[in-house]
Parts: sequence; structure tokens; C-alpha cells
Amino acid sequence: QVQLVQSGAEVKKPGSSVKVSCKASGGTFSSYAISWVRQAPGQGLEWMGGIIPIFGTANYAQKFQGRVTITTDESTSTAYMELSSLRSEDTAVYYCARSPLLHSSGWYDSWGQGTLVTVSS
Amino acid sequence: DIVMTQSPDSLAVSLGERATINCKSSQSVLYSSNNKNYLAWYQQKPGQPPKLLIYWASTRESGVPDRFSGSGSGTDFTLTISSLQAEDVAVYYCQQYYSTPGFTFGPGTKVDIK
Repeated sequence: QVQLVQSGAEVKKPGSSVKVSCKASGGTFSSYAISWVRQAPGQGLEWMGGIIPIFGTANYAQKFQGRVTITTDESTSTAYMELSSLRSEDTAVYYCARSPLLHSSGWYDSWGQGTLVTVSS
Repeated sequence: DIVMTQSPDSLAVSLGERATINCKSSQSVLYSSNNKNYLAWYQQKPGQPPKLLIYWASTRESGVPDRFSGSGSGTDFTLTISSLQAEDVAVYYCQQYYSTPGFTFGPGTKVDIK
């Protein structure tokens, strides 16, 4: 299975942006979907969006349209999630996850360790 | 978006007893062209990312103990732990991957030892 290693915890001010990285190792990067899922403290899992690097076009949950941007750098096997106009409700652990389906998306068999983003003035 | 619901919110089961978690989708996640249900189950323990248990509603992920099983079709699904072990204490989530974009998760079911 591929390993996903995420960047470290962030503390951000309301209104600012955060960019979280997710570096994949141990497998083919370009052909498999990477998605981002967040989890607010004590809450459930929320799908934010995903991308298949070889195709390059990201899909986003309607809730986050206009505020989230998911990109990849195939040269470093790294995916990025940038969330803008941060508010306190965006305080959460952000996970990247990979689907094992070739050129498609589905369930997630590999997850990053999570990145805590705290939004506070 | 497809809305996923789970029941119960939490349950406590004696060691060695059966635990049953239900998941319902607001519309069918059965894809008629391949007769597959686009439904997965995950286990999450505190401070850890989710762990895949089941995909295609009933296919157990490699390495997952066979006391975990998934069943159901269309809009109604069940995760069963046939003989609860102490290490099974966790929150369990269902997820549909039928509707793109928006692979929604259920709200989770917390499983404890009675």
C-alpha cells in the first residue's frame, strides 16, 4: 500500500488561507485519486474534494466550492489542499486519502496521518 | 448529494457478542451496469485516521478479521461484528462512492463494551 505523509499542524487567523500537503510514496502516484476529508473536533468525516493527478481536474463538494483548491505535483508525488477565507468552523483535522481504483475514485485504502488546522484570532 | 444516515448513534455490546450497525442512503448506490453497491465501511479509533474495513458493500479489505462482514443492497446496508473484541471499540462510518462529486459519509456509530 502507498504511504501518505502530510505536512504539520497549522494555526491560522480568520480570513487567511492554509495549504496542506500530502506526499505519497511506495506506489504509482499519477493514476490514482487523492481526496481530502476533514474532521472537526468530536465530529464525523466530511469529504471536501478529490483529484486524479493524470487527469488534473479536481472535483469539489458543493459546500467548499470557491474556497478550496486541490492540486498535485507529479514530479514530487505530492497533493495539496488549499482552503481560503478561513473561519473558526474550519478548525479540524484534514486528511488526504487515496483510492486504489485505477483512473477512478471510490473507497480509500490509504490515509495520511492528518493535519490539524486551528483557526483562531 | 446523497445523504447517508446510520443507526444507532452508539451501542454497547458485551465481549464476544454480535454488534450490528445500519447505514441507509437517500438514494440507491447500486450501479445497475455492474450490479455493484458503491458503499464502504471504515473503523476509526481515537487519534487515528479511518481504516478501511469493507468495500463494494461486502468485500472485506485484506487483513481485516473475518468477524467483520458487510451486507445489504440499494439503500440499506449493515456492518456486523460477529464476536466483539476489545480492540473493536471505535467509531464506524459508512461512505457512498456512487455520486461524483460528493462521496458522503454517514455520521458514525460509536461501539463500546458493555
